[in-house]
Amino acid sequence: DVVMTQSPLSLPVTLGQPASISCRSSRSLVYSDGNSYLNWFQQRPGQSPRRLIYKVSNRDSGVPDRFSGSGSGTDFTLKISRVEVEDVGVYYCMAGLYWPPQTFGQGTKVEIK
Amino acid sequence: EVQLVESGGDLVQPGGSLRLSCAASGFTFSVYWMDWVRQAPGKGLEWVASIKPDGSEEYYVDSAKGRFTIYRDNAKNSLFLQMNSLTADDTAIYYCVRSLNMDVWGKGTTVTVSS
Repeated sequence: DVVMTQSPLSLPVTLGQPASISCRSSRSLVYSDGNSYLNWFQQRPGQSPRRLIYKVSNRDSGVPDRFSGSGSGTDFTLKISRVEVEDVGVYYCMAGLYWPPQTFGQGTKVEIK
Repeated sequence: EVQLVESGGDLVQPGGSLRLSCAASGFTFSVYWMDWVRQAPGKGLEWVASIKPDGSEEYYVDSAKGRFTIYRDNAKNSLFLQMNSLTADDTAIYYCVRSLNMDVWGKGTTVTVSS
């Protein structure tokens, strides 16, 4: 099974400052079509998860442009350019290849300092 | 509006059974893979099962094999999860999720296994 490892697991940030979350896969997520299949999800307190980014860097509808995804192969990053209060929550990466099983990272908790 | 609404969660005793349902609306349900994902209290996300659009293939996390069955009724735009031989480790919020890339999530239904 592919293993997804996120870091850090806890990320205190100052409002208006940038934040960065790393996700590493135990296997390359590059598919034969040349795309890397890595998704990012946000789970705000008390809410269900929602997908933020698919195929590494594509934002879902309604996702603010302060969120960006990058990376390839086995190393990926989610960046928030300027953290806002509504960004507090837990962020998960998920491999889009080598299922079953579908595998998520452990989650990174973003909180305001 | 694309929507997934789960139901059927309850308090059940160890060894008991439960059937979860998910009502889909706002999209062509019959062309999408569908999933169940769960989240134990204070824990991360765990994929549970997936089913092909026509229902001909199903996949499960190892801990669910032989106990859980995912199935669907495309005529009624509904997804189900039959859960048998439940244990305390199955206590979680269960989310109905659209597609293998998990682009739409329901609000979840809570399953508590306890005596």
